[in-house]
Amino acid sequence: GQNIDQPTEMTATEGAIVQINCTYQTSGFNGLFWYQQHAGEAPTFLSYNVLDGLEEKGRFSSFLSRSKGYSYLLLKELQMKDSASYLCAVRDRSPPGGANNLFFGTGTRLTVIP
Amino acid sequence: DAGVIQSPRHEVTEMGQEVTLRCKPISGHNSLFWYRQTMMRGLELLIYFNNNVPIDDSGMPEDRFSAKMPNASFSTLKIQPSEPRDSAVYFCASRRSGGLAGGGEETQYFGPGTRLLVL
Repeated sequence: GQNIDQPTEMTATEGAIVQINCTYQTSGFNGLFWYQQHAGEAPTFLSYNVLDGLEEKGRFSSFLSRSKGYSYLLLKELQMKDSASYLCAVRDRSPPGGANNLFFGTGTRLTVIP
Repeated sequence: DAGVIQSPRHEVTEMGQEVTLRCKPISGHNSLFWYRQTMMRGLELLIYFNNNVPIDDSGMPEDRFSAKMPNASFSTLKIQPSEPRDSAVYFCASRRSGGLAGGGEETQYFGPGTRLLVL
């Protein structure tokens, strides 16, 4: 099965840097995704990692260590609009039929304060 | 391009009634996913279709839930009879699969969701 853990809530100050961690256990790892979800809205894609290392996209970066089952999402120069939930999701090829499904963590609710 | 379209956006019904949720995936996408999101359990995959064929329905809670995809541009999720514990936001997502076997940045695009309240 899949076991994905991330902190429930975090608070950070506008302009600061925040790191949201995610640990996972899965038998058929085939990629890790980060999604952003504002309250009352659908999740939207932020980043994708399948190899170890750091992927940078503007103010957002995502890191993956497959040997440690660990990822983090780094948000720089925080803005008020970054207040949202951040969902870590692991793609797993091990379910029946090798479905390559996405399995989501419960999300980290980030609050950015002035 | 239009994104994933879901209807209705909100549904309030009474326990025991039938509920049908609808989804139109992004044109050209051949994989479709139904998720349920609650505060307690987060985002859970219910069922996944590839080329209109159900691939994995192990997440469907029980026989009260059923899903169909009669063609590449339409899917339904039906709950009959509905119960208060079914109250949640139901998301449909689609993606274009193929190319690398199960790999690549083939992200899923989510619809706006249907907020279901069963009284």
